Amino acid sequence: DQQVKQNSPSLSVQEGRISILNCDYTNSMFDYFLWYKKYPAEGPTFLISISSIKDKNEDGRFTVFLNKSAKHLSLHIVPSQPGDSAVYFCAATPGSNYQLIWGAGTKLIIKP
Amino acid sequence: EADIYQTPRYLVIGTGKKITLECSQTMGHDKMYWYQQDPGMELHLIHYSYGVNSTEKGDLSSESTVSRIRTEHFPLTLESARPSHTSQYLCASSESRGVTYEQYFGPGTRLTVT
Repeated sequence: DQQVKQNSPSLSVQEGRISILNCDYTNSMFDYFLWYKKYPAEGPTFLISISSIKDKNEDGRFTVFLNKSAKHLSLHIVPSQPGDSAVYFCAATPGSNYQLIWGAGTKLIIKP
Repeated sequence: EADIYQTPRYLVIGTGKKITLECSQTMGHDKMYWYQQDPGMELHLIHYSYGVNSTEKGDLSSESTVSRIRTEHFPLTLESARPSHTSQYLCASSESRGVTYEQYFGPGTRLTVT
């Protein structure tokens, strides 16, 4: 049973527009959420995170929104750039054991 | 800048061979992890370690074994490789300080068993 779900396997966005990637979770014990970016044949790199005590966190072009009642978070990228083309993973943790539970990823394609 | 290294980057090997995937980090992190990941799928935790001489199996059943004799080194061994072991193997590390749960990843090893 997948506790972290990314229901869109892929997303295509025009360069310069906003990219919105979504993630849903089922475990109410999760209290910290992270987004990672992964290029082919490389390891994931950390992008941005959010604690359950917040509903928004911003870092440059990247903003993560958390809706605890809906058990939903989203990553906004504005403006989208060609280098943003990659697979984006959502991960969550209850914090107590430092282990991350991962979604299956969304492949973002930025069109020129 | 995170410094975590994995070798080899790519490995093609025949069925029945013994292999060791190397992972080292220079950040002094106490926690280290091995994940298995296939295209279009989530990362699955196969082993983790919270310190020297501490190793545990993760959620995904794996025929591999690990050791943690030194803080910086966390090798993964497959005694007898099979085609079902074909996958990407990712090593990661993290620290216990503060309230961040960020894990730093190496570049991965792409293993193909023929």
